[in-house]
Amino acid sequence: EDQVTQSPEALRLQEGESSSLNCSYTVSGLRGLFWYRQDPGKGPEFLFTLYSAGEEKEKERLKATLTKKESFLHITAPKPEDSATYLCAVQDGGSSASKIIFGSGTRLSIRP
Amino acid sequence: KAGVTQTPRYLIKTRGQQVTLSCSPISGHRSVSWYQQTPGQGLQFLFEYFSETQRNKGNFPGRFSGRQFSNSRSEMNVSTLELGDSALYLCASSLDLVGNIQYFGAGTRLSVL
Repeated sequence: EDQVTQSPEALRLQEGESSSLNCSYTVSGLRGLFWYRQDPGKGPEFLFTLYSAGEEKEKERLKATLTKKESFLHITAPKPEDSATYLCAVQDGGSSASKIIFGSGTRLSIRP
Repeated sequence: KAGVTQTPRYLIKTRGQQVTLSCSPISGHRSVSWYQQTPGQGLQFLFEYFSETQRNKGNFPGRFSGRQFSNSRSEMNVSTLELGDSALYLCASSLDLVGNIQYFGAGTRLSVL
């Protein structure tokens, strides 16, 4: 069964303290892996899409990487405004009617 | 360019009632997906519509249904509401069916009393 697991569930960092969030997945064939950011009371906001192992994408203080079994979201020198829940989602490429499966998210809190 | 619009933003219903939620996708987007988000279960896929046809469905009971109109706008209906249906219902639109970025609306917060 397709599965997406994110760790840790919650992470508290000091401003400027770099870290990484993990997303491990089990799908029959990966069509794409997505990272989203969700602020309280809002819908998820798209960050990155990764399609193949070895691919990397960067945006400001965020960098997403992908291997055959997991993805990492690296946060470099975070600021308080980076506090949010970060969601990982995978799209199974095993059939024509592929679904997108979300992980439960990592709640990131950055202290000033 | 306007984003995904969901109405209403908040809704309070009682058990046994039915509810209809609306979603207007980004102009030009043809695919609309619906998700249920709860603290315990996270984001769970309900269904996806493309060109007025349901193309994909999650593991939800038949009380949950939807439709898409010719202008790509979509509605979701929940009949015979249960307390456990209380959740944030999110709509997402994308250009095409698969492999495309989904853009989410702010959601409709449904409370069932």
